[in-house]
Amino acid sequence: AQKITQTQPGMFVQEKEAVTLDCTYDTSDPSYGLFWYKQPSSGEMIFLIYQGSYDQQNATEGRYSLNFQKARKSANLVISASQLGDSAMYFCAMREAGANTDKLIFGTGTRLQVFP
Amino acid sequence: DAGVIQSPRHEVTEMGQEVTLRCKPISGHDYLFWYRQTMMRGLELLIYFNNNVPIDDSGMPEDRFSAKMPNASFSTLKIQPSEPRDSAVYFCASSFEGSPLHFGNGTRLTVT
Repeated sequence: AQKITQTQPGMFVQEKEAVTLDCTYDTSDPSYGLFWYKQPSSGEMIFLIYQGSYDQQNATEGRYSLNFQKARKSANLVISASQLGDSAMYFCAMREAGANTDKLIFGTGTRLQVFP
Repeated sequence: DAGVIQSPRHEVTEMGQEVTLRCKPISGHDYLFWYRQTMMRGLELLIYFNNNVPIDDSGMPEDRFSAKMPNASFSTLKIQPSEPRDSAVYFCASSFEGSPLHFGNGTRLTVT
């Protein structure tokens, strides 16, 4: 079963606008972590933001925020004030916290293109 | 902090040859992961280690793939014999306990 689902293969946003990238997940583990990574065309994987399943508040890191809706099992990434340099692939990932189960499973990614 | 270091950055080899990919994790990190990225299958976890011990190798495609971590500062992923369908970008990543994974820059493998 798909553990992480990203339903948007591609998204377009105009510079300076906000954009939301969707991510839903599936787990029966009450303790888990959700991550977003950015992969620019150069290929490296860049960590953006983390949300723990027990965190009471949505995570924020600069222009990035995570809209965490636990009951809906969604962890959408919101990028405010988009910049041309935000054009990249974005991956949502989940890490379950069971004993000896510490692997990070990735979604299929969303390609974001920011236009002037 | 030099980050996760992978070598080589690019590898081109002929079908049937042995390929060895190398990884140096961040000092102090106790988890090491090997991922493969392709257009068709996305990012797949191949194997991961905790304190140099392989924990889950269920993602290793077949017996042609093997991975070792002889010490806390070095890991290898070996493919023998290589096949064209092994062409992909192979990432190594490390982390400390539940912290975010730090990825290397990847090795782009092309098998002709």
